[in-house]
Amino acid sequence: KNEVEQSPQNLTAQEGEFITINCSYSVGISALHWLQQHPGGGIVSLFMLSSGKKKHGRLIATINIQEKHSSLHITASHPRDSAVYICAVRSPGGADGLTFGKGTHLIIQP
Amino acid sequence: EAGVTQSPTHLIKTRGQQVTLRCSPISGHTSVYWYQQALGLGLQFLLWYDEGEERNRGNFPPRFSGRQFPNYSSELNVNALELEDSALYLCASSWGAGNQPQHFGDGTRLSIL
Repeated sequence: KNEVEQSPQNLTAQEGEFITINCSYSVGISALHWLQQHPGGGIVSLFMLSSGKKKHGRLIATINIQEKHSSLHITASHPRDSAVYICAVRSPGGADGLTFGKGTHLIIQP
Repeated sequence: EAGVTQSPTHLIKTRGQQVTLRCSPISGHTSVYWYQQALGLGLQFLLWYDEGEERNRGNFPPRFSGRQFPNYSSELNVNALELEDSALYLCASSWGAGNQPQHFGDGTRLSIL
């Protein structure tokens, strides 16, 4: 069973700061997902990656398969980025659902 | 394009009752996943359906069951409700059974009294 660890658990930053959220996992995977959950519960899928780096707007996700580690970066953070960010992985072969980290609660203050 | 829709949005039940939650995937998506988010426990994988078949299930007792219909919509059934079943139940869909982005619904919040 894969163990997914995220850090930090909580992060408060000022508007405009560069944000980094880390995710590590214990066993090889076929894909890693970064998700965003706003108060009320709705979840948005930000990225799915299995190697390298992806960028979408101010968000950047990287993964190092050898080190079993991924990072989510937010550039020029804004209060609307305040949310819980969740890392999730899928086992090799993808024969099951996702295994989730406990999430990082991010607050961006104006 | 309509997203993943779940119904109902909120539900209150008592211990021992049975409940059915519903999910309509994005048009064209054949895979439906069910997840439970209980307070303090984080998200956990419940069930996965693809092309009408149950492909895998997480570490949950048999009183959690479901099915997928020919139109790819899905139901999650929970029998003999217990207090710890209080949670947000999320459905996600994806295009096919391989590694694809999963699109989530807004969830059904189930409270057990």
